Amino acid sequence: SQQGEEDPQALSIQEGENATMNCSYKTSINNLQWYRQNSGRGLVHLILIRSNEREKHSGRLRVTLDTSKKSSSLLITASRAADTASYFCATNNGTNAGKSTFGDGTTLTVKP
Amino acid sequence: SAVISQKPSRDICQRGTSLTIQCQVDSQVTMMFWYRQQPGQSLTLIATANQGSEATYESGFVIDKFPISRPNLTFSTLTVSNMSPEDSSIYLCSVVSWGENTGELFFGEGSRLTVL
Repeated sequence: SQQGEEDPQALSIQEGENATMNCSYKTSINNLQWYRQNSGRGLVHLILIRSNEREKHSGRLRVTLDTSKKSSSLLITASRAADTASYFCATNNGTNAGKSTFGDGTTLTVKP
Repeated sequence: SAVISQKPSRDICQRGTSLTIQCQVDSQVTMMFWYRQQPGQSLTLIATANQGSEATYESGFVIDKFPISRPNLTFSTLTVSNMSPEDSSIYLCSVVSWGENTGELFFGEGSRLTVL
């Protein structure tokens, strides 16, 4: 298993439904980040949550972090077709701010 | 935030050749990071490009295969040398945000290389 495993690998929902993606990791972290990637293009940063935080919101996004379980979840509410993308979690242990370990990603398809 | 431009956006290369990818940032940054994303997979850090010193490579990546230049605080290049089909990937340049959101990475659009 790798640091930053995500499930499910693929998720297909109808527009308007909520989408939940989970991320598990193995080692201690300084922060955990979520990114979106559209069709093999560059990644866009969504949210960063620090190890001393438990929940964070940004618009329709809600991220939780449970350091005791070494897991995080990303909830997208009221999904739209434009949310169709791959979503990656990434962890950073604090020794090098730019060195993040990425999960395998969840491919989300939102059907109109 | 930072705006990162990469060239080329995509290329098709022949086995045995080398290709240099350029990365330009719209602000001065101490460190730039090169990631690789193999087809259908996640991102793996290749190296950290430091201005004024040698790049720092991650396990499994070596300078002879991926030489990096960092001539100033806004520019870096990554060369993929003696390419084989296994090098077909998206190569991504990134920089890190400092301050309130330290750890947030900004990425270029990536350079998609296909090696025949």
